[in-house]
This record gives sequence, structure tokens and C-alpha cells, in this order.
Amino acid sequence: EDQVTQSPEALRLQEGESSSLNCSYTVSGLRGLFWYRQDPGKGPEFLFTLYSAGEEKEKERLKATLTKKESFLHITAPKPEDSATYLCAVSSGNQFYFGTGTSLTVIP
Amino acid sequence: DAGITQSPRHKVTETGTPVTLRCHQTENHRYMYWYRQDPGHGLRLIHYSYGVKDTDKGEVSDGYSVSRSKTEDFLLTLESATSSQTSVYFCAISETSGNYNEQFFGPGTRLTVL
Repeated sequence: EDQVTQSPEALRLQEGESSSLNCSYTVSGLRGLFWYRQDPGKGPEFLFTLYSAGEEKEKERLKATLTKKESFLHITAPKPEDSATYLCAVSSGNQFYFGTGTSLTVIP
Repeated sequence: DAGITQSPRHKVTETGTPVTLRCHQTENHRYMYWYRQDPGHGLRLIHYSYGVKDTDKGEVSDGYSVSRSKTEDFLLTLESATSSQTSVYFCAISETSGNYNEQFFGPGTRLTVL
């Protein structure tokens, strides 16, 4: 069964304390892996698309990487404004599968 | 929100009543999607459209129907709402097939079925 699992469910970091979020997937025929940020009461905001193992994308303090079975979202020196829920999604066939997200809180 | 609006933004209704949610885009994107988001389940695809009058089912389509008569509008209908359909509904659009390209999401509609 196609599945996307994100860990940890919740993460609290001190401002400046770098960490990584994990997205592991079991889908056949991966077409793309997507990272989104979601703030409370809002729709998901697109961050990155990764297509093949070894690929990396960066944006400000965020860096996404992809292997054959998982993706990591690395957050370097986070700030309080990085607090949000981060969602991972994979596409396979004509379906999109989302993980349940990691809720990140960055404490000043 | 990439030129996507959803209406209404909040709705409370009673079991058994019909409900229609509207998604409107100004990006002229071909693909449109309806998702629901529930705690512990993440976002789940209900239906999607790959063109005017062209739609297909997603993972959780039972109890829902959709229509797309214009490129810019995608309607989601609950013919007879049930309490299990209480959720936050998101519309998304994609310029090309969402399988290879990112989707952009609207602000969401919070639906409560009493």
C-alpha cells in the first residue's frame, strides 16, 4: 500500500538550533516528492519539488534532499517565523499522497 | 494563494442537507483538485479535474460529486451531508499534471455538519 510517513510529529527547537524533518515513503513509480509549509488556518504553501535520488533544493534556511526511500527537510539556524507545520507529499500514478506533517515550533 | 479563492470560507449545516463548495482560480490552470484535511489523516484527494467537464475520482470520493463547466470554476457537492464529512476542504490547482508538478492551494473551507 502506498504510504507517506513523517517524523517526528512535533518538534520544538530553540532559535538557531538546526535540525531535520523526515519523510519516508513506500510508493511504486515515484514521480515527484513535494514539501509544503502550512500555517494555522491557511492552505499549504509550496516549498520544493524533488524528482530523483540525490537531488537537493535550497531556499533560505531550508534545504530538502531525496533518497530512494526518504526525504529530509533540513532547517539551519531556524527563526520563530519558521514555526509551522511542514507537509510532505508524493505523486505516484495519478494520485497524490500526503503525510500528516511535522509541527515545528521555534522558541525565541 | 496563487489566485485561488474558495467560498464559503466557513459553513455550518445539518445532516442530510446538500452543500456546494466553490473553487475559483484566475491562473487559467488546467488541473484542479479537491482535498479534505482531517487530524491524523493529512490531506486526502476527493476528486480532480483535468479539463472542462473532465473529472475523475480520488482516494475518498464516496459521498461527493464535482462539476467543472468553466476553466476557472470547480464545484464540490455533498448531496446529503453527514457528520463524517465535517472537515476542512482545500482546492488546489496545477498548471500541468500534478503528478510531476507542484500544486498550489486555496485558503480552505471549514465545514461543520451537525
